[in-house]
Amino acid sequence: EIVLTQSPGTLSLSPGERATLSCRASQSVSGTYVAWYQQKPGQAPRLLIYAASNRAAGVPDRFSGWGSSTDYTLTINRLEPEDFAVYFCHHYGLSPPWTFGQGTKVEVK
Amino acid sequence: QVTLRESGPALVKPTQTLTLTCTLSGISVSSPDTRVNWVRQPPGKALEWLARIDGNDDTFFSPSLRTRLTISKDASKNQVVLTLTDLDPVDTGTYFCARMHPSYLAFDIWGQGTMVTVSS
Repeated sequence: EIVLTQSPGTLSLSPGERATLSCRASQSVSGTYVAWYQQKPGQAPRLLIYAASNRAAGVPDRFSGWGSSTDYTLTINRLEPEDFAVYFCHHYGLSPPWTFGQGTKVEVK
Repeated sequence: QVTLRESGPALVKPTQTLTLTCTLSGISVSSPDTRVNWVRQPPGKALEWLARIDGNDDTFFSPSLRTRLTISKDASKNQVVLTLTDLDPVDTGTYFCARMHPSYLAFDIWGQGTMVTVSS
């Protein structure tokens, strides 16, 4: 089972700033099957990025992802008020089990 | 438009069995491209993948919960059913069903979730 470790646990930023979130896998993720989700209180997760760097339909281009092997990053350029939320990385793909990171909370500074 | 909706009891007692239903709309549970997952989230904590069932009836389970989980589908109702036996208070949380996208495989469509509390 691949363990995903996200850092930092909490990111305190102001609107307009850039957020950089990290996700490290305990072993190389085949096929870069890493996704990022945004979750707001009381809501289901929303898919932002799949296959490490592809934006899902309708996701603003201020969200970008990159990475390979064991290290993956989600960047949010120019934070908007609606971007303050919890973000999870996710290892998925062809062979289970699939796992999630513990989350990074992006909060207003 | 594809939607998923979870339903089930809000409160169950320890040692009982939980049965949750995910009703699909806009896609068929029997389609070869349909893969439906269950994911849960304890209050304030991380997401945990539980199980998946495909349109061809292939099933997959979390190794840590394999002995307690069953997943099946009811084609006549276009539903996926998850059961979790021998409940414990640590099973308390929100349970989501989520579709795996047919081509890029990430979980692109989620239900709103159903909160389950395990307490006597």
